[in-house]
Amino acid sequence: EVQLLESGGGLVQPGGSLRLSCAASGFTFSSYAMSWVRQAPGKGLEWVSAISGSGGSTYYADSVKGRFTISRDNSKNTLYLQMNSLRAEDTAVYYCAKEQGSGWPGVHAFDIWGQGTMVTVSS
Amino acid sequence: QSVLTQPPSVSAAPGQKVTISCSGSSSNIGNNYVSWYQQLPGTAPKLLIYDNNKRPSGIPDRFSGSKSGTSATLGITGLQTGDEADYYCGTWDSTWVFGGGTKLTVL
Repeated sequence: EVQLLESGGGLVQPGGSLRLSCAASGFTFSSYAMSWVRQAPGKGLEWVSAISGSGGSTYYADSVKGRFTISRDNSKNTLYLQMNSLRAEDTAVYYCAKEQGSGWPGVHAFDIWGQGTMVTVSS
Repeated sequence: QSVLTQPPSVSAAPGQKVTISCSGSSSNIGNNYVSWYQQLPGTAPKLLIYDNNKRPSGIPDRFSGSKSGTSATLGITGLQTGDEADYYCGTWDSTWVFGGGTKLTVL
């Protein structure tokens, strides 16, 4: 079964750091681009960051550029999001999502989503 | 303010048909595939339509998608109470972009 399982969310103070992980199973992880998408409470979906299948290309939303870093370990079938200098507006459920049919971001769609992990930034 | 524009809400009676629009520009919808996602309350988004008008395995043919120029449309026929959800369009515009979401109410 194709599955994504996020972990690492929690409560962090403004200015703090957190690292999210997304464990993938059931597919050839290195063949597909992956993204992080977040959803603030009561709000819509906001794309955060993407990475190519090889890990050689990364993309960021302007709202997180310079603060967040996406990476992947294809030997461990795991996607990461290192979040630094966290702000209250980063509070959201963070989903990892698999791109359909391509090792490059932006071609088709997100066909598999994890269940999400909640990040709360508050003092 | 989302790059893609969707109506905040739509409603229709059970058994009826509803359409949800998604408006963009030449840099996004005009030159890239559009996908649609259904998010039931308290759950993760689920892919409904990809490549403008294709349905993943397991998605009933009550759901359809179309694209014309810089706009796309999701259609749902034979509405059921279980279709009550938020629906999002998405596409690429040098980064991924989503619409603001449309809440479907089945009256």
